[in-house]
Amino acid sequence: KQEVTQIPAALSVPEGENLVLNCSFTDSAIYNLQWFRQDPGKGLTSLLLIQSSQREQTSGRLNASLDKSSGRSTLYIAASQPGDSATYLCAVKIRVTFGTGTRLQVTL
Amino acid sequence: NAGVTQTPKFQVLKTGQSMTLQCAQDMNHEYMSWYRQDPGMGLRLIHYSVGAGITDQGEVPNGYNVSRSTTEDFPLRLLSAAPSQTSVYFCASSYSQDAWETQYFGPGTRLLVL
Repeated sequence: KQEVTQIPAALSVPEGENLVLNCSFTDSAIYNLQWFRQDPGKGLTSLLLIQSSQREQTSGRLNASLDKSSGRSTLYIAASQPGDSATYLCAVKIRVTFGTGTRLQVTL
Repeated sequence: NAGVTQTPKFQVLKTGQSMTLQCAQDMNHEYMSWYRQDPGMGLRLIHYSVGAGITDQGEVPNGYNVSRSTTEDFPLRLLSAAPSQTSVYFCASSYSQDAWETQYFGPGTRLLVL
């Protein structure tokens, strides 16, 4: 069963500081990993999506990296601003799992 | 488009009461899902639907029922509320299950069960 952990649970930094958020997952057979932002009392907004074949994605001051072999992803936020204050969530999509198959033989 | 809407925004229930959390989307999305969010546990999938008339269980389905009679609506029913169901509930939708990455989330329903 895939477990996804984010440490620390809370973080406080002064404005302007660069920071890194961590995400760890136990099953490396992932399809992709996505970082979301959640503002208080609101739903989730997607920030960055990293496919399993990629190592990083960038959007503005945000950079997300993915290391499947170690089961880790990081979200780097450069020059933090008060508007960055929110809850950040990572989510992994597990690769499709195939069944064992059924061999069908149609006889004459 | 209104996107994904949820009602109510906040609800207080007594143990044993039943209620329905409403979710609607006007984007003609086939895939809809319900999550609950609890402190320190991220979002957990309760139920999902890949289209009208089709629903399936997620990670934590016990105590919840869903139905999908139309593409637009995906209500979540609590048959007999328990304090363990105190949580924030999010509904989400996407064009298809394969397009999970582009899910749109509703604003959430905060539920308190006493």
